[in-house]
Amino acid sequence: QQQVKQSPQSLIVQKGGISIINCAYENTAFDYFPWYQQFPGKGPALLIAIRPDVSEKKEGRFTISFNKSAKQFSLHIMDSQPGDSATYFCAAFTGGGNKLTFGTGTQLKVEL
Amino acid sequence: DGGITQSPKYLFRKEGQNVTLSCEQNLNHDAMYWYRQDPGQGLRLIYYSQIVNDFQKGDIAEGYSVSREKKESFPLTVTSAQKNPTAFYLCASQQGARYNSPLHFGNGTRLTVT
Repeated sequence: QQQVKQSPQSLIVQKGGISIINCAYENTAFDYFPWYQQFPGKGPALLIAIRPDVSEKKEGRFTISFNKSAKQFSLHIMDSQPGDSATYFCAAFTGGGNKLTFGTGTQLKVEL
Repeated sequence: DGGITQSPKYLFRKEGQNVTLSCEQNLNHDAMYWYRQDPGQGLRLIYYSQIVNDFQKGDIAEGYSVSREKKESFPLTVTSAQKNPTAFYLCASQQGARYNSPLHFGNGTRLTVT
C-alpha cells in the first residue's frame, strides 16, 4: 500500500529551467511534509519541509506548494542547475505513528 | 564530526547466510531507523527504535532483526528468511522522533546476496 504517491519517476530539465515534482497522499493524519535530496552513493538529506497550515514555503531556489484540500504537495526547483541532479523523495509524517513514510523518488537530471 | 557511520559500504554474502549491518551514531540522538531502498520503491521502513532496549517493526520487518543495547548503536541482521535481501540499506537517526526533527542518514550499505 503506497501511502505517498510521487511523480514523475524521472525528470530531465535544461539548465535554468524549472523542475517540478508532485506528491499525493491519502492519510489525513499526516501533519508534516519534508523533502529529501539524495546524491548517488549517499544517504538522503533534508532539503525543505512544510506543515499543512501553510500553502507555500520557499528556501532559496526551492519551493514547496501545498494543497490541503486536494491532498497534494509539490517541489519546485527554480533556475535548475547541474548540481541539483539527484534523487528527490517526498515524505509524510504522522505524529501518532511517529514515523516517516516516503514516496518512491524522482531521479532528476539537469542538462547543460 | 558528528554523524552516522554505516559499515561496510559494500557487502557480499551467499544465500542462506545471516549478515549483520553496522550503524553507529555520535549525534546523541534518541531514535534510530533502518530503511531499505530499492529502485522505484523509495525508502521502506524495516525497524525503528525510540529508546535503548526498545524497538518496533516497520512496514517490512519480516526476515530482519535488530537490537538496541546502546544509544549509539543499532545493528541490523538480515536473516536467511528474507526472500530478497539484495538492496541498499540506510540507517538514520533523529532527535526525539518529533515531527520537525529531521532524519540524519548514513551513507548506506549495499548488500548483494548470491
